[in-house]
Amino acid sequence: DAGVTQSPTHLIKTRGQHVTLRCSPISGHKSVSWYQQVLGQGPQFIFQYYEKEERGRGNFPDRFSARQFPNYSSELNVNALLLGDSALYLCASSLEVVSNEKLFFGSGTQLSVL
Amino acid sequence: GQSLEQPSEVTAVEGAIVQINCTYQTSGFYGLSWYQQHDGGAPTFLSYNALDGLEETGRFSSFLSRSDSYGYLLLQELQMKDSASYFCAVGGYNKLIFGAGTRLAVHP
Repeated sequence: DAGVTQSPTHLIKTRGQHVTLRCSPISGHKSVSWYQQVLGQGPQFIFQYYEKEERGRGNFPDRFSARQFPNYSSELNVNALLLGDSALYLCASSLEVVSNEKLFFGSGTQLSVL
Repeated sequence: GQSLEQPSEVTAVEGAIVQINCTYQTSGFYGLSWYQQHDGGAPTFLSYNALDGLEETGRFSSFLSRSDSYGYLLLQELQMKDSASYFCAVGGYNKLIFGAGTRLAVHP
């Protein structure tokens, strides 16, 4: 079975632009979460979606938004990009929604904002 | 607020045993997880403790004391491939809060 897949793997944008990152969860997983990881830091929670509904939101500005589709895939959108948005964006899927007992991470999208 | 503390770096030799500690402050605690991340790779799940005590998975063991808000990851029979960053993470309601990570360097 395929793991969590994310696209694109790398992306270069300029300040002010918009970006869309995509994620396909493991088959059978209905929960998808997004994390931002800055070099040298741990992943920071952005969103969790389950059954197409937002179940959790981290401390990120409204420029960040996400959605989940009927097939449980997900998109993360970031508007008006800032230099500080440069990071590795990780998608994770799980069976367990509330406790997040075990997350399966994709390889991430490395976003560089110039 | 929510915070986790773990050492930034640990160094050990092949075949040795190393313990990575994690203390946390959080509300809505469900459990303590550990993830391994090699440079350029994705975090991979190692272990999860919901209850106090020791969980063993091969060479890796994890311990939790909820009363002390403390846990640790124990790595035995260290191998070069264990050189990576290790993150503790607290499961809160609908999210996982990660520590800053411990970089483990295993030397011959």
